[in-house]
Amino acid sequence: DAKTTQPPSMDCAEGRAANLPCNHSTISGNEYVYWYRQIHSQGPQYIIHGLKNNETNEMASLIITEDRKSSTLILPHATLRDTAVYYCIVRVATGATNKLIFGTGTLLAVQP
Amino acid sequence: NAGVTQTPKFQVLKTGQSMTLQCAQDMNHNSMYWYRQDPGMGLRLIYYSASEGTTDKGEVPNGYNVSRLNKREFSLRLESAAPSQTSVYFCASILSGNSYEQYFGPGTRLTVT
Repeated sequence: DAKTTQPPSMDCAEGRAANLPCNHSTISGNEYVYWYRQIHSQGPQYIIHGLKNNETNEMASLIITEDRKSSTLILPHATLRDTAVYYCIVRVATGATNKLIFGTGTLLAVQP
Repeated sequence: NAGVTQTPKFQVLKTGQSMTLQCAQDMNHNSMYWYRQDPGMGLRLIYYSASEGTTDKGEVPNGYNVSRLNKREFSLRLESAAPSQTSVYFCASILSGNSYEQYFGPGTRLTVT
């Protein structure tokens, strides 16, 4: 699975959009980009995933560049409850293993 | 549905003691996982079970054993605990190989003195 690079921390004002970047320059054609978050030592929570098209769900949007070497997770209206560590993970989607390789993630601090 | 449950929530062991961490899921998932998380670090995979009856090593299996007791339960055993195993342990499950969302338990906080 490809390696990802994320900034260690970011701040965002409450109510504003939070844009979390991730670099995955060695991503392969069959690898998906996944985002999970971990709120204050709880178990990680799935947010969204994508292959090459932009994706949106009720939690967030995922923008993947055309060359797929980087992506951005967007929380459109950040709240204090969105303060968490956000993990960008690249992994092959097929097969039975579904192993996730976590990096150190980005600590997003939403400020009032 | 309770989702993924873990017991105990907290545990303190002395070096050399043994214990078993329990994990259960009620979502009829096929695959289950054990991760550890050290302070300031991401999660690292210890062992996983792709399906009932199978187990495989992850990134950091040394010092641990696992048992997939049935489809619902996946336990992690420390035979002789060491201070280096002080960590938070998370169990997770996923429906199948084609699924995308792993569900995580609340974690077990283990301290080995």
